[in-house]
Amino acid sequence: AIQLTQSPSSLSASVGDRVTITCRASQDIASALAWYQQKPGNAPKLLIYGASTLESGVPSRFSGSGSGTDFTLTISSLHPEDSATYYCQQFKNYLLTFGGGTKVEIK
Amino acid sequence: QVQLVESGGGVVQPGRSLRLSCAASGFTLSSYGMHWVRQAPGKGLEWVAVMWFDGTNKYYADSVKGRFTISRDNSRNTLDLQLNSLRAEDTAVYYCAKDRGPGYCSGGSCPSFDHWGQGTLVTVSS
Repeated sequence: AIQLTQSPSSLSASVGDRVTITCRASQDIASALAWYQQKPGNAPKLLIYGASTLESGVPSRFSGSGSGTDFTLTISSLHPEDSATYYCQQFKNYLLTFGGGTKVEIK
Repeated sequence: QVQLVESGGGVVQPGRSLRLSCAASGFTLSSYGMHWVRQAPGKGLEWVAVMWFDGTNKYYADSVKGRFTISRDNSRNTLDLQLNSLRAEDTAVYYCAKDRGPGYCSGGSCPSFDHWGQGTLVTVSS
């Protein structure tokens, strides 16, 4: 199964900062990557699919990029409500896997 | 609007079985791929199983293959997950999740989950 490695595993940033999370796949997955945000006690929420397409209703400060094996989720200007854990997810050969998660905290 | 409500979780002994159910509303189950995803306490997300929109194919994570079975009742618009031979490591919150598409790559878009239930907790313990 394809492995997804997220980095960093956690970060602390200030409101207004630009935040970047990376996700590396163990094999080429083209653009079959999505990003989710999960807050404690809640189900995950889809942010980005197809590596770079913003899900409806998601603020434009979130963006995704990459293809093949290297992907990035960027928050252009961190808001207090962005404190959460972020996961990448891939699909290849009919199977799906998630990355280990990145916990984003507000300083 | 789309709503997914899981039920059936609880405490079960190792080796026993449990059946989870997910009631869908606001859309037709047979029009979309449907998945189960789990999350062990304090841990990350783990994909468990998928059923394609037309029910023709089902796929499972290696960790549950041969023990778990995904199924669907179109008349009740519900998605089920039969959990057999349960182990301590199956302890988790189980979410059902709606695929944006049919459950496979189609039209340049591959599976991702645009709606999730609130989850149901399964605890495997003696």
